[in-house]
Amino acid sequence: ETGVTQTPRHLVMGMTNKKSLKCEQHLGHNAMYWYKQSAKKPLELMFVYSLEERVENNSVPSRFSPECPNSSHLFLHLHTLQPEDSALYLCASSLEPGGTEAFFGQGTRLTVV
Amino acid sequence: GDSVTQMEGPVTLSEEAFLTINCTYTATGYPSLFWYVQYPGEGLQLLLKATKADDKGSNKGFEATYRKETTSFHLEKGSVQVSDSAVYFCALSEGSGGYQKVTFGTGTKLQVIP
Repeated sequence: ETGVTQTPRHLVMGMTNKKSLKCEQHLGHNAMYWYKQSAKKPLELMFVYSLEERVENNSVPSRFSPECPNSSHLFLHLHTLQPEDSALYLCASSLEPGGTEAFFGQGTRLTVV
Repeated sequence: GDSVTQMEGPVTLSEEAFLTINCTYTATGYPSLFWYVQYPGEGLQLLLKATKADDKGSNKGFEATYRKETTSFHLEKGSVQVSDSAVYFCALSEGSGGYQKVTFGTGTKLQVIP
C-alpha cells in the first residue's frame, strides 16, 4: 500500500466514449503527476500539478484533460481516444515537485478499441 | 535534454546469482539519481537514490553508486531471490527555480528462476 489509489484498475473504452481516471492520495503531498507507461518506452510524464496548479504539460494531446480540484485528488478526463493511447496510466504524488521520492499508484490499464 | 539509458531486458538469472543492471545518463547539471522497482500489477516504488557524486544508495541488498566521471548509476545485488523478479527503472531528477523534472529510463525486466 503506497498511499496513492487509482480507479478503475482496468478500463476498456471505444474511440467515441468519454471516461475519467481518478487518483487519490492522503499523504499530505503537494505535487501530483500523471504518467503514461507503454511497452518498451520510457515512462512519459504527462502532467504535473503543484498545489492544485498545473506546472507542466508535456505536449499531451487535448483528448487528455487533467483536473486537480484539491491537493488530494487528480483526474484524467478522456475523450475520442485512439488505439495507440492504450497503455498503463500511472498517478504519482510527492511532497514537492520532482527531486523528492514519488509514490505511485497501481495504475489504470486502459484499452481503446 | 536529459535522458536515461538502461540495458534492455529481460535479464534472467538463477537464484543467488549476482545482478548488475546498467544505467547511464545525460544531464546538463548535477542531477539526483534513482532506482525504482515495479512488481507485477503494482505501481513503481522507490528502491534507492543518490543525490551527489560518489554517493552510494542502498536498500534491500541492492546498491548503486553515483559515478559522475562515467555518468553511470549501475544497480547491483550480490545474491538475487525469486522475489526480486520485477521491472527496474533508472531515473534522474534535475531542475531549478523550485521545480525539478524526473526523467525515467525504459525499464529492465528481471526474472529470477529457482
